[in-house]
Amino acid sequence: DVKVTQSSRYLVKRTGEKVFLECVQDMDHENMFWYRQDPGLGLRLIYFSYDVKMKEKGDIPEGYSVSREKKERFSLILESASTNQTSMYLCAVQGSYSSYNEQFFGPGTRLTVL
Amino acid sequence: KQEVTQIPAALSVPEGENLVLNCSFTDSAIYNLQWFRQDPGKGLTSLLLIQSSQREQTSGRLNASLDKSSGRSTLYIAASQPGDSATYLCAVRPGSSNTGKLIFGQGTTLQVKP
Repeated sequence: DVKVTQSSRYLVKRTGEKVFLECVQDMDHENMFWYRQDPGLGLRLIYFSYDVKMKEKGDIPEGYSVSREKKERFSLILESASTNQTSMYLCAVQGSYSSYNEQFFGPGTRLTVL
Repeated sequence: KQEVTQIPAALSVPEGENLVLNCSFTDSAIYNLQWFRQDPGKGLTSLLLIQSSQREQTSGRLNASLDKSSGRSTLYIAASQPGDSATYLCAVRPGSSNTGKLIFGQGTTLQVKP
């Protein structure tokens, strides 16, 4: 199985701070995703990337940006954190070939913005 | 627009019971469907993936079925155990998507009582 790691399990930041969430995979998979999960709203896609330096907006990209300089690493950036970005953030990875199109998730980062 | 619904939102059963979790989707044009398990405060663990051309997949005590024409999938859990207590999520990958974007249901939270 693919191993997906996220830089922090819990993070507390203040309003206005710049926040970096990192996701690293140990396989050579092309596709990486960032979701947020909120009670009553489920999982929502923020951004995804299908190759190095490529990015696509998901359903809720406002207030976020991403970076993918290396294939194994996909970063989510909150330029100026706000309280409504308090959430569970989940990274996922997926290969492009039919045998490997399962999505594998990291353990999540619980972000609290005060 | 594809929508995924899981009913019921919560389910409580005694240990040993066989049970079925339901997932429905509004657009039958899907590439595949994936079932996940999520423990409180954790990431998602992939359980089963069914390709659009398949009718079912099995893994241990779990069996997932897919009926594309009616827009339904079920996850059957045999001989439930307290360790099966978790939230179960289904997600569909739209047939038009070649980037792996998943659309999630809200999940069914299962409690198996000893």
